[in-house]
Amino acid sequence: GEDVEQSLFLSVREGDSSVINCTYTDSSSTYLYWYKQEPGAGLQLLTYIFSNMDMKQDQRLTVLLNKKDKHLSLRIADTQTGDSAIYFCAESLMGGGADGLTFGKGTHLIIQP
Amino acid sequence: DAGVIQSPRHEVTEMGQEVTLRCKPISGHNSLFWYRQTMMRGLELLIYFNNNVPIDDSGMPEDRFSAKMPNASFSTLKIQPSEPRDSAVYFCATIHLTGELFFGEGSRLTVL
Repeated sequence: GEDVEQSLFLSVREGDSSVINCTYTDSSSTYLYWYKQEPGAGLQLLTYIFSNMDMKQDQRLTVLLNKKDKHLSLRIADTQTGDSAIYFCAESLMGGGADGLTFGKGTHLIIQP
Repeated sequence: DAGVIQSPRHEVTEMGQEVTLRCKPISGHNSLFWYRQTMMRGLELLIYFNNNVPIDDSGMPEDRFSAKMPNASFSTLKIQPSEPRDSAVYFCATIHLTGELFFGEGSRLTVL
């Protein structure tokens, strides 16, 4: 079955880069997503990558996809206090997530001053 | 567009009571999803609708849970009777025609 796994916590110093890792099991995944959840709020889409890509960059965010190892990572450059949140990796089999996304349990990103 | 609107934002009820959670999706959507979030299980997909028709309800935990989507502008998730283990944050989400999944702010349910 589908399974998405992430580390539960990551602690980084302000100004350093954060790298959040995710592994998934379903090789049929077509879209892979990163969502951000701030306290008391819903999930907000940060970025996504198609399975036929291996890298996507958007300002401070870089997504790397290793399809062979089924490994996805999110790198946040120059981590700031506002980046403190829970980051969810998610996969979808159908285009646009029409079948519903399968989420990991989320990685709590903790920023140290 | 005000985004996905859920109500109530917080509900505290006693075991055995009926709970109804509501969702007003964004306009222009064609799919609607109900998720449940707990510390232990993370985010679980309960059910989703496409064009107001339930497509997959295999994530609904028990017969105590039911969901309806009478029209494209409204959906409900009902729990009857509620139990303490139903305590969680329930999210509604819709997929915009652009393909992005928009989440509501969630309804935090506490069953005593």
